[in-house]
Amino acid sequence: EVQLVESGGGLVQPGGSLKLSCVASGITFSSYWMRWVRQAPGKGLEWVANIKQDGSEKHYVDSVRGRFTISRDNAKNSLYLQMNSLRVDDTALYYCARVLRGHILDYWGQGTLVTVSS
Amino acid sequence: DIQMTQSPSTLSASVGDRVTITCRASQSIDRWLAWYQQKPGKAPKLLIYDASSLQSGVPSRFSGSGSGTEFTLTISSLQSDDSATYHCQQYKSYWTFGQGTKVEIK
Repeated sequence: EVQLVESGGGLVQPGGSLKLSCVASGITFSSYWMRWVRQAPGKGLEWVANIKQDGSEKHYVDSVRGRFTISRDNAKNSLYLQMNSLRVDDTALYYCARVLRGHILDYWGQGTLVTVSS
Repeated sequence: DIQMTQSPSTLSASVGDRVTITCRASQSIDRWLAWYQQKPGKAPKLLIYDASSLQSGVPSRFSGSGSGTEFTLTISSLQSDDSATYHCQQYKSYWTFGQGTKVEIK
């Protein structure tokens, strides 16, 4: 059974930092691109960042580029999102997801909530 | 950036009804479109990719169609378990989602 389990969310003040983690099981983690997607309260989905199988290629949505860093450790079947200079509008449920055929998200975690507030 | 617009935002239908949700792209995305179902408090689930290909395990009452800028997701006979929010996602240029369509059962 495929499982993606996120952790690391919480309440942080504007300007603060958080590091999210996602541990995968039941898949050959190192064979797939991985993605972070977020959903602000009552809003739609927004892709945040992608990372290639070996970590050599990364993409970011404009609103987080320069503040967030996606990374992975294939030996630990783990995906990470380092979030710095957090803003109120970064408040969202953050999901990690497996990328199929380069674009489609076929497995998702249950999400970890990030709240940015003073 | 390619913008995705779904309509309606909410719809209410009865069990057994045929339901159609529309997703429009701000420019042509060929057939590079996926649909996801999201139930309250749950992660999204992939239903359809490449506009009309049904993901393994998804009931055949779900179907997708369209190309270019206009796409539809159809539920041929609505079931109570289909109460959810449905999201479209383009992957022609990067990846953007529609705002979602909430389907309620009357």
